[in-house]
Order: sequence, then C-alpha cells, then structure tokens
Amino acid sequence: AQSVTQPDIHITVSEGASLELRCNYSYGATPYLFWYVQSPGQGLQLLLKYFSGDTLVQGIKGFEAEFKRSQSSFNLRKPSVHWSDAAEYFCAVGVTNKLVFGAGTILRVKS
Amino acid sequence: DAGVTQSPTHLIKTRGQQVTLRCSPKSGHDTVSWYQQALGQGPQFIFQYYEEEERQRGNFPDRFSGHQFPNYSSELNVNALLLGDSALYLCASSLRSGRAVYEQYFGPGTRLTVT
Repeated sequence: AQSVTQPDIHITVSEGASLELRCNYSYGATPYLFWYVQSPGQGLQLLLKYFSGDTLVQGIKGFEAEFKRSQSSFNLRKPSVHWSDAAEYFCAVGVTNKLVFGAGTILRVKS
Repeated sequence: DAGVTQSPTHLIKTRGQQVTLRCSPKSGHDTVSWYQQALGQGPQFIFQYYEEEERQRGNFPDRFSGHQFPNYSSELNVNALLLGDSALYLCASSLRSGRAVYEQYFGPGTRLTVT
C-alpha cells in the first residue's frame, strides 16, 4: 500500500539556520508529491508540488524540495528559517485521486 | 477570490448523536474531498464527491456519509458518534480533470469534540 514516512516528529532550529525536513514515500509508479504546512488551529496550505520534470521544485515562502527517485525521498529545505516558519509540515503523495499524508513534523524555531 | 470555507468552526457533541459539517469549495472547483485529522496525526482520506456522487471512499465505516449539492458545496454526516470520532475535519476542493485533482486546497477545518 502507498505510504509516506516523515521520520522526525519534532525538529528545532535556530532562526536564520538552514532547514531540511525528511520525507520518504512508498509508491510503485512515478509519484505526485506535495508539501503542506499547518499553523496551529488552521487548515493546510500547499507549499509546493512535484508532478514531473525538474526534480528540484521551488515553492512559496522560500521553500524548495528535491525529488530523489533512487532514495524514494522528497525532502523539504529552506536556506534560512524565520520565526514565522514554526508550524507543522506534512508530506503527501497523490494516489488514485486522493492524498496520502505522513504523520507530520513539528518545526520549532528558537531565537 | 474566496477560498474553501467550512462551518461550524467548533462543535461539541455527545456519544450516539449525529453531526453535519459543511463545506463550500474554492470558486471554480467542482470536486470536494473530506479528511479526518486526529490529534497528532496526518489527515486521513474519508471520501470524495464529484458531480453530486461519491466517487471514492477511504477506510471509514458507513456511519460516515456525505452529499454534494448542485453548487458543488458539500456536507459530511456522521451518525452514532463515538469518542474516537473527535478530530479536526478538513474539507479540500480541486478540479476533477487529470492531475488537477491532486492540487487540493484546504479549508480551516471543523474541530469536533465528542464527549
């Protein structure tokens, strides 16, 4: 069955430091991959998506992600984190018209 | 351009009761998907509606049912509520065609508490 694994439940980074959130997927075909962000008490906002083509994808708020087929990964990166980036981040794979989500990674930003 | 809206924001119900949650999709979208997000977990797909019919269903019991109206808005109904139904219920809208169905825009959710 298709699945998404986000190995890190919590990550803490200092403001201004770089960030990488890990995501591994299990899916037989070429996946459609997504990263969403959820602030407390709010819905999900789409950060970026990968369907095909260039494996480095740019998103909103300065985020990017790289699709690596050989590693079944789609890690999210940001070169310099801002305090406002503190939130929960979800990786998802698109399968038969629905999204399958990972369990999420909570990002804490320390000043 | 209004995004996805959901009502109510919060709801408290007692075990055994029934609840109806509502969703209005983003303007121009024709497909509505519902997800359940339990505390500390990622969203789980409940079902998807298109052209007023349930097109796909996740691993949820028949107590969960839905409806889509001609204006594309949708309702999620849950009967015989259990404590385990307490969760954030998210509605997402998209276009049905091709891979656009995966570009889902989410509403703020309805927080359901069952006591």
